[in-house]
Amino acid sequence: NAGVTQTPKFQVLKTGQSMTLQCAQDMNHEYMSWYRQDPGMGLRLIHYSVGAGITDQGEVPNGYNVSRSTTEDFPLRLLSAAPSQTSVYFCASSYQGGIEQYFGPGTRLTVT
Amino acid sequence: SQKIEQNSEALNIQEGKTATLTCNYTNYSPAYLQWYRQDPGRGPVFLLLIRENEKEKRKERLKVTFDTTLKQSLFHITASQPADSATYLCALDMPPRADRGSTLGRLYFGRGTQLTVWP
Repeated sequence: NAGVTQTPKFQVLKTGQSMTLQCAQDMNHEYMSWYRQDPGMGLRLIHYSVGAGITDQGEVPNGYNVSRSTTEDFPLRLLSAAPSQTSVYFCASSYQGGIEQYFGPGTRLTVT
Repeated sequence: SQKIEQNSEALNIQEGKTATLTCNYTNYSPAYLQWYRQDPGRGPVFLLLIRENEKEKRKERLKVTFDTTLKQSLFHITASQPADSATYLCALDMPPRADRGSTLGRLYFGRGTQLTVWP
């Protein structure tokens, strides 16, 4: 199993540009989440999904959209990038809620 | 709002000693608490989960305790080794949403404690 994969590893955007961060898992997990990690802030939940077709907001959803058309994929869309979205983004999955989450390697995003 | 504090940003100990990391939380009683390890440039890796009705959990050289009265979890690494050097994150489940009725696996994370074990 590849586990949780994320692409790209690094990305630089200009303010106002849009892009999609990709996340895929091959473990048949129902639960998938997106977090951002900033220095001194810890990981914060952006959006999550409890299965295909079902998504919901986390702590910091503004400026991001998600969809879940398949069990395997959970892309995160930045609609109009802002410097405040400079961060490291992690995707995670778990078989169900309340148990351990498996994290991807992260995407380091810089918005200038 | 929910607040999680990990005792310090950095902890330095000598090889062979026991490392003890602290996670305190306020304003909520989580159903479970998890500990993760994160190495530089990598995603967090799950270590242990302890539920509210459990006092202690062990896995090899790792031990976690959960005191719901004190609202505190302690994470111990016995016989520490330089390879244990990493950042350790505490996470607990978010309060249920009023319109959802369950936590659905959403986690709050602490800022982490960077552990350095020197030979």
